Amino acid sequence: AQKVTQAQTEISVVEKEDVTLDCVYETRDTTYYLFWYKQPPSGELVFLIRRNSFDEQNEISGRYSWNFQKSTSSFNFTITASQVVDSAVYFCALSEAGYNTDKLIFGTGTRLQVFP
Amino acid sequence: DTAVSQTPKYLVTQMGNDKSIKCEQNLGHDTMYWYKQDSKKFLKIMFSYNNKELIINETVPNRFSPKSPDKAHLNLHINSLELGDSAVYFCASSPDWIDTDTQYFGPGTRLTVL
Repeated sequence: AQKVTQAQTEISVVEKEDVTLDCVYETRDTTYYLFWYKQPPSGELVFLIRRNSFDEQNEISGRYSWNFQKSTSSFNFTITASQVVDSAVYFCALSEAGYNTDKLIFGTGTRLQVFP
Repeated sequence: DTAVSQTPKYLVTQMGNDKSIKCEQNLGHDTMYWYKQDSKKFLKIMFSYNNKELIINETVPNRFSPKSPDKAHLNLHINSLELGDSAVYFCASSPDWIDTDTQYFGPGTRLTVL
């Protein structure tokens, strides 16, 4: 069965601290995709990254970086030098490739609060 | 221009009423979705349509009926609204359902059933 676990319900940091949001997934498929979305207080869902199961290379985009490790079924997200504008709920999601499976299975989200 | 738009943004109604939420995407995508986010922020797929054809129907009560007049629109009609239907409903679209493309979400519609 597919499942995404975000064990950290809420994280609070002070501006400029680095923070890592954990994501652990379960799937029986060998081909799958992982995503991170951000939901700021305004409520919209903002796409951050998509990674397929064959690409374990870590990715960096500005202050954001992602660490994908198939051996531990984890796809963790790190924000370097956090800012108040990073305050949001962050969702990790999984999608399996194939017919009739193109749906996102979301984790329960991690609420990040960055204080000035 | 907004890529995925939803109307209305807020919807307050009484139990038992029937209501619709509209979604439009101008991205030229083939696939559209409805997700429900409950009060605990949990997001769950409801439906997906590819080029006006229903692909996923995720055990949603049949009071919920999606309608896709064309591939740029996916509306959600809800009959006999119940208190438990209160949630935020998100529409999303992706280029193609076969390649598990990125899904882009609309701003959400907050439905409150009194």
